[in-house]
Formats: sequence, structure tokens, C-alpha cells
Amino acid sequence: NAGVTQTPKFRVLKTGQSMTLLCAQDMNHEYMYWYRQDPGMGLRLIHYSVGEGTTAKGEVPDGYNVSRLKKQNFLLGLESAAPSQTSVYFCASNNGQPQHFGDGTRLSIL
Amino acid sequence: SQQGEEDPQALSIQEGENATMNCSYKTSINNLQWYRQNSGRGLVHLILIRSNEREKHSGRLRVTLDTSKKSSSLLITASRAADTASYFCATSSYGGATNKLIFGTGTLLAVQP
Repeated sequence: NAGVTQTPKFRVLKTGQSMTLLCAQDMNHEYMYWYRQDPGMGLRLIHYSVGEGTTAKGEVPDGYNVSRLKKQNFLLGLESAAPSQTSVYFCASNNGQPQHFGDGTRLSIL
Repeated sequence: SQQGEEDPQALSIQEGENATMNCSYKTSINNLQWYRQNSGRGLVHLILIRSNEREKHSGRLRVTLDTSKKSSSLLITASRAADTASYFCATSSYGGATNKLIFGTGTLLAVQP
């Protein structure tokens, strides 16, 4: 049972490039979340999903898009990466409480 | 905006000592949770306390909740080097369609062997 798996683990992009972060969970969870973690800021919610085919904005959604085409997968897209999006990105999932987290994707935008 | 503010930001203690960290929040909550994050890893759930509970224990962990002061504390007794990590409180509020959490800024705990 892998839990929540994030790919890739590390990535370096140039400003203006695009990329997609993948989150996969094997726990049959309805809810999935994308957070970013910056030094001294804790975790901030980017987007979330309450079920397959649904997405909603979180606290800091600008510059990101998401899709939940399959229940087990939640994709986070950066259409045109900016240096301000340099961060560690975490995916989480749950049905009730608590949330289960992946080990993160460390993303640097040069 | 952040719901939770944690205090202290960093804490260094000797193995065997107790560690106490505090969390304050701003709005009414349904429950409050504590998570641990080891360096380079994701968050791991430690304990959940509901708004109608005042104290909860789990192994060496003791959590208190004071809804009148909008604050919570996490006590780790008889600390070990393996407890070295960042600790985050997270609140779940009434209303809304999801189990969204709002995280605090975290306390970095270093336990010296």
C-alpha cells in the first residue's frame, strides 16, 4: 500500500516553462488537495477536489490549474512558471480526518 | 491567510526533557489536529482533538484545547532524538463542503542526544 505518491520529487524549470505535477493515491479517497510550503509560511492550500471530475480554488490558486479526471489522480499544472512559484508542493488525500500526505515535489524556477 | 500561529518558532531541548509547543487560531473550529514533518518528508498526522474536548492523550503526546482562548498546546514527554522534526497545528472549521485544513506556521523541535 503506497499511500500518496508524488512525481517528480525534484524539478528545475526556467521562467515561462510549463509542467505538471502528478499525485496518485491508492486509498480510494474522495478528497484530494494541493498545498505549497514556503519557509516560515506553513502549508497553504492551492486547489482541492471533493471527488472525481470536481476541482475548487483554495487560498493561493493564481498561476495554477488542476484536473481530477480519475479518482486516484490529482494533477497540478503550471502553465507559465514564475520564480515566485519556487516552493515545495505537497499533495494530500482523505475521506474524513486526517489527511494523508505525499513526500512532496521540490520545484525551483530560475 | 494563516489560521494558526505557533509558538515558539524553534525549540531546542535535551533528550529526556519535555517539549511544549503552542498554537493559536482565529475562528471557530470543528477540530484541531497536530502533524509532524521530518526533514524532506511529508506531514504525518499525530493527534486530533474535537472542539468539545479539552484534553487528549496518545502515547507520549498530550494535547489540550481551550476554545475560549482559541489556543491549543502539544506536549511531548520524555523526548527522544527521533522526535526532532517540525510540528504543525491545523484547524478544520465549521461549514464548507470539504475537510479543508488551515495550517499554522510550525515549530521546529530539535532534541539533542
